[in-house]
Order: sequence, then C-alpha cells, then structure tokens
Amino acid sequence: DAGVTQSPTHLIKTRGQQVTLRCSPKSGHDTVSWYQQALGQGPQFIFQYYEEEERQRGNFPDRFSGHQFPNYSSELNVNALLLGDSALYLCASSFEGYEQYFGPGTRLTVT
Amino acid sequence: AQSVTQLGSHVSVSEGALVLLRCNYSSSVPPYLFWYVQYPNQGLQLLLKYTSAATLVKGINGFEAEFKKSETSFHLTKPSAHMSDAAEYFCAVSDNHMGGAQKLVFGQGTRLTINP
Repeated sequence: DAGVTQSPTHLIKTRGQQVTLRCSPKSGHDTVSWYQQALGQGPQFIFQYYEEEERQRGNFPDRFSGHQFPNYSSELNVNALLLGDSALYLCASSFEGYEQYFGPGTRLTVT
Repeated sequence: AQSVTQLGSHVSVSEGALVLLRCNYSSSVPPYLFWYVQYPNQGLQLLLKYTSAATLVKGINGFEAEFKKSETSFHLTKPSAHMSDAAEYFCAVSDNHMGGAQKLVFGQGTRLTINP
C-alpha cells in the first residue's frame, strides 16, 4: 500500500513566478491537508480539502490556493512567489480528517 | 486558539540514557495530542497520539507520552536512547472531534542529538 506521495521532490523558481505542487493521498483517505515548513520551524497549516472543497484555511494569503480532484489527489498553487515562500511543503492525508499521514514533502526554493 | 510550546530547541543525551522531550499545550477544547518525528530531508512520521482514552500512550520505537491535564503537558519519553533516535521531534495539537476539519498546530520542534 503506497503512502502519501508528493511531486516534485525539489523545485527552484524565480520571484514572481507561479508554482504547482501535487499530492496523492494514502489509499482509502479522503482528506488532504497542506502545510508549509520553513527552515528550522514547525509545519504551519495552509488549508484542508475534503469532498473537493476547501474546508478550513490557515493564515495564508490568497496567493496560496488549492484544488482536490475526484480521486482525492490535490494540488497546491502559489502565485507571485516571494523569497519567503521558500520552504518544505508537506501534504498530509487522512480519513475524515482524523489521523494525518504525511508525505515526504516538496522542497521549494525561490531565488 | 490552540498552541504548543516545546521547551528546548535542542536536547542532547548519551546513548542508553533517558530521553525526555517537553511539550505544553493550550487548547480551549479537549485536545488530541500527537508526537511526530522527522528525519533529515524527510516528511513527518507519527510516533504516538492521545485521543482521550488512556493518559499514558505508547508509541513506536519504544517511545511513550503521558497526558497530564492539570499541567497541560504531553511530554515524550524513552527509557534508553539509541543512535537511530537522532532526529527532529514535533509535538502537535488538534481539536478533539471526529469528522470535522482538524488542522494540526505544531510546536517549533526539538532536535535530539545522541552522543555515543
């Protein structure tokens, strides 16, 4: 049984560009949450998707948006990238939002 | 609002010694509490969780944690440290209810170093 998978593993972008990160949840899971982990910090909640709708959102600007597909996979989009967006982006999946299983993350570097 | 404070950003112990990582939480509702471990360049792995059942929770790799409501604490312990325990440890809190949006609120993390 594959766990949570994320792509790409690493990504380098330039300020002002847009980026899309992808996540496939663990089999049987219907909820996907996204977290941003800056270097040396704990993960911070961005938003959570359930039944293709954003169910809850953390304190992140509208530049951060997402989508969930009918197969429960999800995308995180970030527009107008800033240097401060450089971080490890973690996806977590769960069933009914309970115990969350994390993927390996996508390391985004903005130059 | 919920919050987590991990006391000590860096803890160093000798191999075979007791590991104690401290976590205090703040929550206006009965919480669910979690400990996660993160190895370099990897995601988070769940060590153990408290979900309002037994206050002493046993997890993987010999770790355990005790929920103390009066102290709002959920400290992580392991009787005998192993070199493979070297990693970053995160305490997290979420709302205690099923079926709803349960975002995790994480502490800043504690880096555990094991000395040979």
